[in-house]
Formats: sequence, C-alpha cells, structure tokens
Amino acid sequence: DVKVTQSSRYLVKRTGEKVFLECVQDMDHENMFWYRQDPGLGLRLIYFSYDVKMKEKGDIPEGYSVSREKKERFSLILESASTNQTSMYLCASSLPGRGSYNEQFFGPGTRLTVL
Amino acid sequence: GDSVTQMEGPVTLSEEAFLTINCTYTATGYPSLFWYVQYPGEGLQLLLKATKADDKGSNKGFEATYRKETTSFHLEKGSVQVSDSAVYFCALPPGGSEKLVFGKGTKLTVNP
Repeated sequence: DVKVTQSSRYLVKRTGEKVFLECVQDMDHENMFWYRQDPGLGLRLIYFSYDVKMKEKGDIPEGYSVSREKKERFSLILESASTNQTSMYLCASSLPGRGSYNEQFFGPGTRLTVL
Repeated sequence: GDSVTQMEGPVTLSEEAFLTINCTYTATGYPSLFWYVQYPGEGLQLLLKATKADDKGSNKGFEATYRKETTSFHLEKGSVQVSDSAVYFCALPPGGSEKLVFGKGTKLTVNP
C-alpha cells in the first residue's frame, strides 16, 4: 500500500520558534509538494520539489523554506513561526509527467498551532 | 491562468438523496481533471479522474464526466450515505504543469 507519512499529526509551537515539518513517501516519486489548507481558502501550494535538491516556489512561499536531501523526504521549515502560520499542512507526492501522472498522493496532514 | 471554480457549500442532504457538486474550469488545452475527497481528520485522497474530453470517471458510486463544451466536471452520486460526509475538491494541472490547482472545496454533510 502506497504511503505518504508526516512526522506529526498535531504540533503546538511558540511565536519565533524554528519549526520543521517532515514528510516521507515510499513510492519512489520524483515530485513532492507542501500545501497549507485554511477554511474558505482551500489548498494553497507553498513549495514544490521535482528532484533531490531541486525546488520551486509555489503561490505562498513567504516565511517558509524547504529541504530535499533525499528522494523520499521533503521537509518544510518555518524559520520563525508566527501566529498567521497556524494552519493544516499537507504533503503530497507524484510521479513526473502529465495527464494521469498528475495524480498526487497525500499524507494525513499536520495541524500546526502557533501561540 | 488555469483554474477551477466549484460550488462552495456547505451542502446538507438526507441519506439516499441525489448529490451534484458543480465544478467548472478555465484552461488552455484539455488537461486531466480530478476529484479528491477529504474525510474528517484525514488528508486528501483521489476519488476519480478523467484524462480527456468525454471521459467519465467513476468510483464508490460517484461519477463525473469531462465536458469540454461546458468546461465542466460535475460530481454526482445517485444515493448518498452518511459515510460520504466529507470535503470534496475539484482539481486540474495548470498550464500543463506537473502541479495541481484546487478548488476551494465543498463540504458535504449527510444526515441519517
């Protein structure tokens, strides 16, 4: 059974802390994604990685960075957490290519609260 | 740019009612179209997809037909169950890219 796992389901951090969210996939997918999900706004892409050490900014990259040192792992970093980064964070992966290959596989999400 | 627009809801139905969730798209060319479902407390999972015009995707009693004439991909189910209560997202790859852009989601609640 294919799987995308995220390191925590729930996380509570303080303003100004450095926060790491980890995502691991076991499908040997080249593409990995980080989204945040907020009520009324749907899913918004933060960063996209199409290969090890390669990354591309999404729609809302401000305040975030990412790291992809190994193919199976994609980390989202909040350099200095702020209360407006309280959200649900979703990781996904997919094969390269288009059409049917655009299907993304999602992790269960991390609900982050910044106090 | 390429985008999807879906009815925002929330939608509340009784068990065994007919469901339609509207999704229209704006795109250059004919991208693949997807419906994802998110059950409470979980991530998204693919519900169904269609890769070309006139294709019908189906899964778990849900269906959607890719209609290029009306640029639509409406989700339908003939008889909903309480277990269908979830948030439903329509999506497509913008500009033929390897990413997806999602609609804002439609929350469905089915009452017994």
